[in-house]
Amino acid sequence: EAEVAQSPRYKITEKSQAVAFWCDPISGHATLYWYRQILGQGPELLVQFQDESVVDDSQLPKDRFSAERLKGVDSTLKIQPAELGDSAMYLCASRKQPGLATYEQYFGPGTRLTVT
Amino acid sequence: GNSVTQMEGPVTLSEEAFLTINCTYTATGYPSLFWYVQYPGEGLQLLLKATKADDKGSNKGFEATYRKETTSFHLEKGSVQVSDSAVYFCALSGNTGTASKLTFGTGTRLQVML
Repeated sequence: EAEVAQSPRYKITEKSQAVAFWCDPISGHATLYWYRQILGQGPELLVQFQDESVVDDSQLPKDRFSAERLKGVDSTLKIQPAELGDSAMYLCASRKQPGLATYEQYFGPGTRLTVT
Repeated sequence: GNSVTQMEGPVTLSEEAFLTINCTYTATGYPSLFWYVQYPGEGLQLLLKATKADDKGSNKGFEATYRKETTSFHLEKGSVQVSDSAVYFCALSGNTGTASKLTFGTGTRLQVML
């Protein structure tokens, strides 16, 4: 069964350093999401891609976060500089296409970031 | 905007007990509703879904019915097992474009004891 791949699974970084996360969605999935899950809370959307275009980044802290999906396949989320409050699980999800018959988002295992 | 409210945990039950986790929502239009489960250190797995009013989603003995009149989607299981111990998230989404993002509740931790 196809899965969403994410790496690394765990990352520890110092405050003010740069960090990057990678996501490879299920093949053929046009829509890709990055969510942030703070411990004890539900995930919240950071950015949504349709193919290579950003369609929603309203909750992305653009002064320090950036995301790209250059060829409409895999994606990278970057934080520079990292702050203590960025410690969280970063989840990637993909969805086949935004049509009525394909509601389901499939999640990767996540990257747990700890900022010290 | 959209929002999901679910009962706070932890919920602690004995094995074979009946489970209910309450979930209510606020949304415009006709959202799809979901329950996701998260085991320790892992990502989210879809447990069940319902896409229109009165639909019942079911999987692995869990059930939830989309109740538009009460804006609810309560999760139930007749007999829980120790292996059901996890965090359960209720979520909703629209169907197209930017509305397809998931809006989650805060999660309910379930602990099942022998």
